[in-house]
Amino acid sequence: DTAVSQTPKYLVTQMGNDKSIKCEQNLGHDTMYWYKQDSKKFLKIMFSYNNKELIINETVPNRFSPKSPDKAHLNLHINSLELGDSAVYFCASSLGFANTIYFGEGSWLTVV
Amino acid sequence: GQQVMQIPQYQHVQEGEDFTTYCNSSTTLSNIQWYKQRPGGHPVFLIQLVKSGEVKKQKRLTFQFGEAKKNSSLHITATQTTDVGTYFCAGPSGTSYGKLTFGQGTILTVHP
Repeated sequence: DTAVSQTPKYLVTQMGNDKSIKCEQNLGHDTMYWYKQDSKKFLKIMFSYNNKELIINETVPNRFSPKSPDKAHLNLHINSLELGDSAVYFCASSLGFANTIYFGEGSWLTVV
Repeated sequence: GQQVMQIPQYQHVQEGEDFTTYCNSSTTLSNIQWYKQRPGGHPVFLIQLVKSGEVKKQKRLTFQFGEAKKNSSLHITATQTTDVGTYFCAGPSGTSYGKLTFGQGTILTVHP
């Protein structure tokens, strides 16, 4: 069983479109994250949720809107996609803050 | 804000050579974590160090936490092709809702 699963794994879309990435964890963790990894492999946190409450929002454009319907799910919706949004987006979870983080397999987003 | 710097950014070695990556934080860390990301994969937790001067080993991997708890290193003895990937260090920011700040990563290539 996959601990942190996210879908879709690959996504190719045109500029201006709106897309969503879904994430679920079955580890019983209370904290979930979205990270963005650029072509240089730099991992940057975008959002952090604890028990469905937004805790960290790292100056991400408001075109990005996370939603956590419950503490096992954290979805990411992106409006008006831009070329610069092309990256790998990792969902992750942990028990408590800044503890060991378990990453999903990533969603490769390409905006053309 | 807190910065976690990692060097080198890239390292190419011949199989059998040793490899070391260094991590430096601008602030004292309560702990430091190391992750490995295989090409095309997702970051996977390797280890956490908590105590000043702590040294931990995992087979050919040796992890060290500095006395001042501001730096750390990962040393791989006699690299193998299975060691290829990106190695990240990460440290908590220190606030109540502390996020984990990742270093830029060291991309290791092992030539057979």
